[in-house]
Amino acid sequence: SQTIHQWPATLVQPVGSPLSLECTVEGTSNPNLYWYRQAAGRGLQLLFYSVGIGQISSEVPQNLSASRPQDRQFILSSKKLLLSDSGFYLCAWSKGGNSPLHFGNGTRLTVT
Amino acid sequence: DQQVKQNSPSLSVQEGRISILNCDYTNSMFDYFLWYKKYPAEGPTFLISISSIKDKNEDGRFTVFLNKSAKHLSLHIVPSQPGDSAVYFCAASGAGGTSYGKLTFGQGTILTVHP
Repeated sequence: SQTIHQWPATLVQPVGSPLSLECTVEGTSNPNLYWYRQAAGRGLQLLFYSVGIGQISSEVPQNLSASRPQDRQFILSSKKLLLSDSGFYLCAWSKGGNSPLHFGNGTRLTVT
Repeated sequence: DQQVKQNSPSLSVQEGRISILNCDYTNSMFDYFLWYKKYPAEGPTFLISISSIKDKNEDGRFTVFLNKSAKHLSLHIVPSQPGDSAVYFCAASGAGGTSYGKLTFGQGTILTVHP
C-alpha cells in the first residue's frame, strides 16, 4: 500500500531564516506530487504541483519554492521566511486523472 | 474569489441522526467533486467523490448529492457517529479531474456529533 511521509510535524522559525520541508511517498511510482497550505481559518490552497522529476508548477506567487530531486521526493523551501508564511503545510500525491489526492499529516510552521 | 463555499462553519448533530453538510460552487467548469475529512493535526482524508455526470454517489454511511443546475453539492452521513466529529472540506476540480491536482477547497465545516 502507498504511504506518504512528511516532516517535521511542527516547526518554529524566526523571520528571515531558511526553510526546508520534505515529503516522500512509498509504494507507488511516478506519482503527481503537491504542496498545499492551510492558513488560519481558511481552506487549502495549492502552492505547487509536479508531474515528474524536475517538473514544478507554481500556482501562486510567493516567497516559497519547490523541488523534486527524485521520483517520490518533494521539497518545499524558502531562503528567507516571512511572518505571512506561517500556516499548515500539506504534501499530497495522486495517480493523476480522476483519482483523489492523498495527504500527509502536515507540518505546522510558525514564523516568529 | 471563493469559487467553492461552505457557508456553515459548524454543525452539531445527535448521534444516530443524519448529518448534512453543504457546499456551493461558482465555476461551471468544475466537473469532479470530492469530500475530505480532517482531524486536528492530521492531513485530510479522502471520503467520497462524484463526477458531474452523476447526481448521487453512495459509500456506506456516506452519500454525496450533486445538483449541477444549482451548483450545489451535499454530503449526507447516516447514521452519524461520535467518531465522525471532524472538519469536512468539499473540493472541486475542472476538466481532467485531478490530473494536475488543482483542487479548489471550501473553508471547511466543523461537524460535532454528540453521544
